[in-house]
Amino acid sequence: AQSVTQLGSHVSVSEGALVLLRCNYSSSVPPYLFWYVQYPNQGLQLLLKYTSAATLVKGINGFEAEFKKSETSFHLTKPSAHMSDAAEYFCAVTVIEGTYKYIFGTGTRLKVLA
Amino acid sequence: ETGVTQSPTHLIKTRGQQVTLRCSSQSGHNTVSWYQQALGQGPQFIFQYYREEENGRGNFPPRFSGLQFPNYSSELNVNALELDDSALYLCASSFGRARTDTQYFGPGTRLTVL
Repeated sequence: AQSVTQLGSHVSVSEGALVLLRCNYSSSVPPYLFWYVQYPNQGLQLLLKYTSAATLVKGINGFEAEFKKSETSFHLTKPSAHMSDAAEYFCAVTVIEGTYKYIFGTGTRLKVLA
Repeated sequence: ETGVTQSPTHLIKTRGQQVTLRCSSQSGHNTVSWYQQALGQGPQFIFQYYREEENGRGNFPPRFSGLQFPNYSSELNVNALELDDSALYLCASSFGRARTDTQYFGPGTRLTVL
């Protein structure tokens, strides 16, 4: 079965510091992986997606993620955190079970300290 | 191009009642998916509709049902509400059913069951 695991339900970083949010996947087929961000009381917004092209994927707001097959990882990074990055981040993998659907991780809440 | 919209934003129901949530997809998007997001959790897939037919379903009982209309709108109906149905309900639309298709999420409807 395909799944994603997000390590760390809460991450705190100082403004200007590196952001690293971890996601590991389990998949018996080549995975398609996504990172979404959710601000309070809002829906999910796509940050970036991996669809088997380049392993280093650049997204919006300065975020990027690297697909590492050997480590079954798809960690999200940003070189310098901004206060506006404070939000919940979800990693997701698409599965085909009749139709395609997202399987989401449990989320990581990012707190940015001034 | 308008985004995905949902109505109402909030509602409160009592146990045993029925509720209908509505979603308006982006124009041209043939696929709509519905997710339930309990507090502190990632979204859980309920079902998906493609061109007005159910195209896949998650582990939700039959009292969760849906409709998709030709005008890119859709509904999620929940009968015999239970306390555990309290959650944020998200709809997401996409152009097609490919695994690489990006799903665009609405802001959600927060349902409280008392």
